[in-house]
Amino acid sequence: DVVMTQTPLSSPVTLGQPASISCRSSQSLLHSDGNTYLSWLQQRPGQPPRLLIYKTSNRFSGVPDRFSGSGAGTDFTLRISRVEAEDVGVYYCMQATHFPFTFGPGTKLDIK
Amino acid sequence: EVQLVESGGDLVNPGGSLRLSCAASGLTVSNNYMTWVRQPPGRGLEWVGRIKSKAVGGTTEYAAPVKGRFTISRDDSKNTLYLQMNSLTTEDTAVYYCAREDNWTFESWGQGTLVTVSS
Repeated sequence: DVVMTQTPLSSPVTLGQPASISCRSSQSLLHSDGNTYLSWLQQRPGQPPRLLIYKTSNRFSGVPDRFSGSGAGTDFTLRISRVEAEDVGVYYCMQATHFPFTFGPGTKLDIK
Repeated sequence: EVQLVESGGDLVNPGGSLRLSCAASGLTVSNNYMTWVRQPPGRGLEWVGRIKSKAVGGTTEYAAPVKGRFTISRDDSKNTLYLQMNSLTTEDTAVYYCAREDNWTFESWGQGTLVTVSS
């Protein structure tokens, strides 16, 4: 199985400041069809996961434009341009290029 | 608007069985790839398995830890997805989410249902 790692595992941030989370996969996530199936999900406290980004850099419907995704191959990044209070939660990267689908361990984002 | 509502979670003894349901509205279950993901208390997410759309045969796929014990099915007349879980162990204790799979990701999620395996 593809192992997903995330850094940091915990990130205290200041409101209004940027934040970034890194995700690394044990194998390239470039699919033979030319797409890279890396997603980012947010899980607020007590809530189910919510899709933020799919195919590395595509924002899902309704996701604020302060969230952006980038990367290729085995290295990916989620960026929040200006953290807001509602962004507190755990962020997971997930790969769907290789079967079975696997998730990173999660990065907990909280406010300083 | 897509809505997925899981139910059926309960406290069950090791070795027991349980069936979870996921009632869908705003989408037709049989026309979609539907997936189950679980989350042990205080831990991360784990993909459990999926059922493909009717158009591509409705086949199922499972993660190794549950293969042979769990079965995913659907009832088209009720627009509902199911997860039959047998031979449960304490390692299966988790919140179970159903999700709609599209664009090679999980676009819509239910609120989850808690399964506790304990004697």
